[in-house]
Amino acid sequence: EIVMTQSPATLSVSPGERATLSCRATESVSSNLAWYQQKPGQAPRLLIYGASIRATGVPARFSGSGSGTEFTLSISSLQSEDSAVYYCQQYKNWPPWTFGQGTKVEIK
Amino acid sequence: QVQLQESGPELVKPSETLSLTCSVSGYSINSGYYWVWIRQPPGKGLEWIASIYHTRSTYFNPSLKSRLTVSVDTSKNQFSLKLTSVTAADTAVYYCAREVDYCSGDNCYPGGNFDPWGQGTLVTVSS
Repeated sequence: EIVMTQSPATLSVSPGERATLSCRATESVSSNLAWYQQKPGQAPRLLIYGASIRATGVPARFSGSGSGTEFTLSISSLQSEDSAVYYCQQYKNWPPWTFGQGTKVEIK
Repeated sequence: QVQLQESGPELVKPSETLSLTCSVSGYSINSGYYWVWIRQPPGKGLEWIASIYHTRSTYFNPSLKSRLTVSVDTSKNQFSLKLTSVTAADTAVYYCAREVDYCSGDNCYPGGNFDPWGQGTLVTVSS
């Protein structure tokens, strides 16, 4: 089973600043990496797949990068509505598909 | 617009069977995609449970496989989950979602991207 590790656990960023979230896999997942956003009391929402492809309707301030074992989700100019927990997920080797433990993004 | 809605008992006793159904609207299950169950214990992360195709091809999380049954009812455009011998560790919000598929010849496989999701239902295991 591939283990996904996210850092930091919590990120506090001022509005308008850049947020950078990291995700690491215990073995290569190539570009088979997705990012999800989960706001309090809501279901997760797909943001990024294929490591860097934005899902339909996702604002351009969200971008993903990386391949192999190291990945990054960047939010270029943080908005108040971006306060959420962000999860990475690998879909290279299954079963099972596996998620990271999440990074909570807070607005300063 | 595709929408998914989970339904089922909110409280299950230990050692009994958890049963949930996901109703899909705005898209025919027969038309493709895998359909998936994912859960999230309170305050914790996400765990993929199982994926099923309209042909009834199914993939399970090995950690849960021995207790799982997943089925699809194309006539009702629904799919279902049964988890037997539940314990408090099975207390979670259970989500259903659509999963992209990829096909090679006549065979289609889970693609690992989940979109959209149902709103989720909290199932508590307690006596």
